[in-house]
Amino acid sequence: EAQVTQNPRYLITVTGKKLTVTCSQNMNHEYMSWYRQDPGLGLRQIYYSMNVEVTDKGDVPEGYKVSRKEKRNFPLILESPSPNQTSLYFCASSSQGSGREKLFFGSGTQLSVL
Amino acid sequence: DQQVKQNSPSLSVQEGRISILNCDYTNSMFDYFLWYKKYPAEGPTFLISISSIKDKNEDGRFTVFLNKSAKHLSLHIVPSQPGDSAVYFCAASAWSNDYKLSFGAGTTVTVRA
Repeated sequence: EAQVTQNPRYLITVTGKKLTVTCSQNMNHEYMSWYRQDPGLGLRQIYYSMNVEVTDKGDVPEGYKVSRKEKRNFPLILESPSPNQTSLYFCASSSQGSGREKLFFGSGTQLSVL
Repeated sequence: DQQVKQNSPSLSVQEGRISILNCDYTNSMFDYFLWYKKYPAEGPTFLISISSIKDKNEDGRFTVFLNKSAKHLSLHIVPSQPGDSAVYFCAASAWSNDYKLSFGAGTTVTVRA
């Protein structure tokens, strides 16, 4: 089954403790992206990757890191999480790019930073 | 500053009637628009899209209308069904960088039986 898999689904952590949210897709997609969803703000793009080893900032990249060493994986790293990074996070992929093709989203990761 | 705005956070409609969701945008570079639907505890899923060369696109019960001069688009769902109860996000992409997608805040639709 074609899917985007994120782990974990729920995560509670404390300020400053490094964490990684994993994302994997099995559709051989070139493009992957991370979004955060906050009430009243909708989905905001954090980082995106057009291909292996090619990444770029979205609208809200501060406090996040990403890497794309393999085509299927695109982890999101929070080196020193802060409470304002409490949010619902989504990973997404598409075969080439986000604007002209439909994105396939993971089920989300609810992160709480205390 | 949000470039895609969905000014109605929620909409309640009776089953069988029409649902109309509105979306406004400010960036004149946007030339491709999409709607995504999201159920609780799931990721968004693609619903329908429209290019700026068109003013209407239809897919079954879903029709999107684009008014470029007003920088406005709307999604019509006819007839509305209980399974349509979800959050709907409007999204836009610019020809200058179509790797980036800007989303609105979403509209929660509740279809009453």
